[in-house]
Amino acid sequence: NAGVTQTPKFQVLKTGQSMTLQCAQDMNHEYMSWYRQDPGMGLRLIHYSVGAGITDQGEVPNGYNVSRSTTEDFPLRLLSAAPSQTSVYFCASSTGQGINQPQHFGDGTRLSIL
Amino acid sequence: AQTVTQSQPEMSVQEAETVTLSCTYDTSESDYYLFWYKQPPSRQMILVIRQEAYKQQNATENRFSVNFQKAAKSFSLKISDSQLGDAAMYFCAYRSPFQGAQKLVFGQGTRLTINP
Repeated sequence: NAGVTQTPKFQVLKTGQSMTLQCAQDMNHEYMSWYRQDPGMGLRLIHYSVGAGITDQGEVPNGYNVSRSTTEDFPLRLLSAAPSQTSVYFCASSTGQGINQPQHFGDGTRLSIL
Repeated sequence: AQTVTQSQPEMSVQEAETVTLSCTYDTSESDYYLFWYKQPPSRQMILVIRQEAYKQQNATENRFSVNFQKAAKSFSLKISDSQLGDAAMYFCAYRSPFQGAQKLVFGQGTRLTINP
């Protein structure tokens, strides 16, 4: 069972570079989300999607773009990387069938911006 | 906006003993869901236990149980018979029931150490 797959697992960027963090799930989940995890701050929501073609901002959306062209994929784009975006990024998905259903997390992407 | 607070940055317990991790939250909603997630050094986020606010009975999952006090907005996690594999960061999380509000609000985490 693949579940939620994130690529890459590690990435180092220079300030100003752009990149896309990939997230794919094979559970046919409607809901997908991106979080960032910083020391001492828990996980914070960046963007989320309730279905293909529908996205919305979370708590810390600035500097990030998302799109949801398919149910399976939810990429996160950094347009111009900044050192403040150094973090561990998690993608999560959940089914809309029953709002008590837990979110399934990927293994995370550790991103360093120099 | 909802907030979740974990006031214990670090906790330690002897193997086989019981430990309780604290979590409080702030919300104006009457119905919601609460979760405890475990994050071992592998960085995976693993669901430990969940509680629906409308249920008065405290959730239990094997050695893990919660003490849910709705009026006090408290949701503590009790780990019985602690094992070395329980060592991890533990996060408390809140989830709104409203359609589209598919987001978790996390606490800051508690690092649990198990002493052999």
